[in-house]
Amino acid sequence: SQQGEEDPQALSIQEGENATMNCSYKTSINNLQWYRQNSGRGLVHLILIRSNEREKHSGRLRVTLDTSKKSSSLLITASRAADTASYFCATENNAGNMLTFGGGTRLMVKP
Amino acid sequence: NAGVTQTPKFQVLKTGQSMTLQCAQDMNHEYMSWYRQDPGMGLRLIHYSVGAGITDQGEVPNGYNVSRSTTEDFPLRLLSAAPSQTSVYFCASKEKTRPWPDEKLFFGSGTQLSVL
Repeated sequence: SQQGEEDPQALSIQEGENATMNCSYKTSINNLQWYRQNSGRGLVHLILIRSNEREKHSGRLRVTLDTSKKSSSLLITASRAADTASYFCATENNAGNMLTFGGGTRLMVKP
Repeated sequence: NAGVTQTPKFQVLKTGQSMTLQCAQDMNHEYMSWYRQDPGMGLRLIHYSVGAGITDQGEVPNGYNVSRSTTEDFPLRLLSAAPSQTSVYFCASKEKTRPWPDEKLFFGSGTQLSVL
């Protein structure tokens, strides 16, 4: 079974709007990461937040982590058509040797 | 640097055939791993390696073998292909495991495998 579950499974917004994706997980983690996948391509790392951090920013990306609720959210501000992709959260175990992925959120940004 | 290179990009097998998916990285990463991605789903870990000569099982290892004779290469072998192994396979690597700070994975572009 998958460690992380994303919500929603699909999201459609207009260019310029913000997109929020949520991720829940089950067991204790070392860190939580977000990856992006364009259709038919490999995954690209976006941002990593450690278990002792609560919020992190990178450009138009903002990620939060609530370890008490075992949940995270990814916010993409001022979205662009080029942000259209699938986004996956992934949790790393405490040993650092396994990264477990959620089912992903398919984001479509309409021009 | 080429990063993580996977070959072939596409492969069609008949049930019962065996084959090897190749993965090579030129970043001197200690950690390498194989994932499979089924339609509409996330990635599931098959096997991983934390260094040359060391391999371990992930979430879905049955039907697959791996070896790590060099730091650069991490081939995935399908012993007797089954239709349930139809999937897209991704190889990924990272510099080290804990306690190093740079823990992100670098992915190859994938191998699309169909087993008839």
